[in-house]
Amino acid sequence: SQTIHQWPATLVQPVGSPLSLECTVEGTSNPNLYWYRQAAGRGLQLLFYSVGIGQISSEVPQNLSASRPQDRQFILSSKKLLLSDSGFYLCAWSVGGQGENQPQHFGDGTRLSIL
Amino acid sequence: AQKITQTQPGMFVQEKEAVTLDCTYDTSDQSYGLFWYKQPSSGEMIFLIYQGSYDEQNATEGRYSLNFQKARKSANLVISASQLGDSAMYFCAMREGRTGGFKTIFGAGTRLFVKA
Repeated sequence: SQTIHQWPATLVQPVGSPLSLECTVEGTSNPNLYWYRQAAGRGLQLLFYSVGIGQISSEVPQNLSASRPQDRQFILSSKKLLLSDSGFYLCAWSVGGQGENQPQHFGDGTRLSIL
Repeated sequence: AQKITQTQPGMFVQEKEAVTLDCTYDTSDQSYGLFWYKQPSSGEMIFLIYQGSYDEQNATEGRYSLNFQKARKSANLVISASQLGDSAMYFCAMREGRTGGFKTIFGAGTRLFVKA
């Protein structure tokens, strides 16, 4: 069966510090991968998605970047965090391809607090 | 334009009663998928149910059913026999087959409170 791991679960960082959140998927090949951010009590905002190694699409211009160095690894990064980067970050995967019947499966999320 | 609309920020339901969570969507694609997710207070997103645009029957998964009215572009989630553990945020989502590529669009969510 497929599993998705996302870490760390919580993170407290000072303004201006770098960020690296990691997500890995097991039990599937060539998945579509996604990073979302969720503000408190709000819906999900798609940040990045990837359909293959090295292929990253950005949905919202911002202080963050994403990379996919391996097929089942997706990394969210920042060189200098801003206060507005605080939030709940969720990684997700879906079966590769454009099938509209494919649900997304989410990791447990990372609660990021910027001080 | 907003593509997924959930008009109920919060809903209350008595335990063991049924509840309907509303979702309307907007798309020009003929082929699309509709999804509902549950997010408990712990934060994880749990996939509940899927409805395809070409499916003639409403989807059902245990106590969850999707009331799909294609002409009205609505995809309401019905939870039967509510349980205390159903208290959570619920998100409606859509993935378009032609224009959406790989993206799933989420609504703003409805917070469901189940009363004992």
